[in-house]
Amino acid sequence: DTGVSQDPRHKITKRGQNVTFRCDPISEHNRLYWYRQTLGQGPEFLTYFQNEAQLEKSRLLSDRFSAERPKGSFSTLEIQRTEQGDSAMYLCASSLGPQAFFGQGTRLTVV
Amino acid sequence: GENVEQHPSTLSVQEGDSAVIKCTYSDSASNYFPWYKQELGKGPQLIIDIRSNVGEKKDQRIAVTLNKTAKHFSLHITETQPEDSAVYFCAARISAYSGAGSYQLTFGKGTKLSVIP
Repeated sequence: DTGVSQDPRHKITKRGQNVTFRCDPISEHNRLYWYRQTLGQGPEFLTYFQNEAQLEKSRLLSDRFSAERPKGSFSTLEIQRTEQGDSAMYLCASSLGPQAFFGQGTRLTVV
Repeated sequence: GENVEQHPSTLSVQEGDSAVIKCTYSDSASNYFPWYKQELGKGPQLIIDIRSNVGEKKDQRIAVTLNKTAKHFSLHITETQPEDSAVYFCAARISAYSGAGSYQLTFGKGTKLSVIP
């Protein structure tokens, strides 16, 4: 499978815990994006990397959220001190040109 | 920032009929408009896209039209099949290739399409 891969697919955590998600983009795609999607809504942009540089961050990305792409390949998104409002689908996408391709997402439930 | 409105929110059609989903955008600088299909429990799948220098694009049963003056674009699905049932999202972006744009996509809220056999 050469698509965007996300791990884990599902995560249940207790409020206040930290969680980390991983995204493996399509090979050779230099751009990587994180989006968040809540029920009944379209994806909302969180952040964007070109190679290892984080070039854009949304106001949605509070200081509890941090994303990295250390070697310009895979990326991680960490949420510290999770809150119930963080429950959502976290989507990763990658692109080489204008077309962005999404992974299957990580469904986070904060209880 | 960019704002994308999408309607209808739900659409039911008989198998074989056509379906049309419409979106409007607010930022006249937006110049790239993709459409995604999302099935339950899956990530969005890119199905077609259009750039602002093109008024219409077609791929088999799917077509997209763009009216830059009115700032709206539409998805047309002909000869609908049950497997077309899904949530469809439109999106808009100011291309970074212009030097002043962004790579972030702004999405509509989605249209749930049901194709009745």
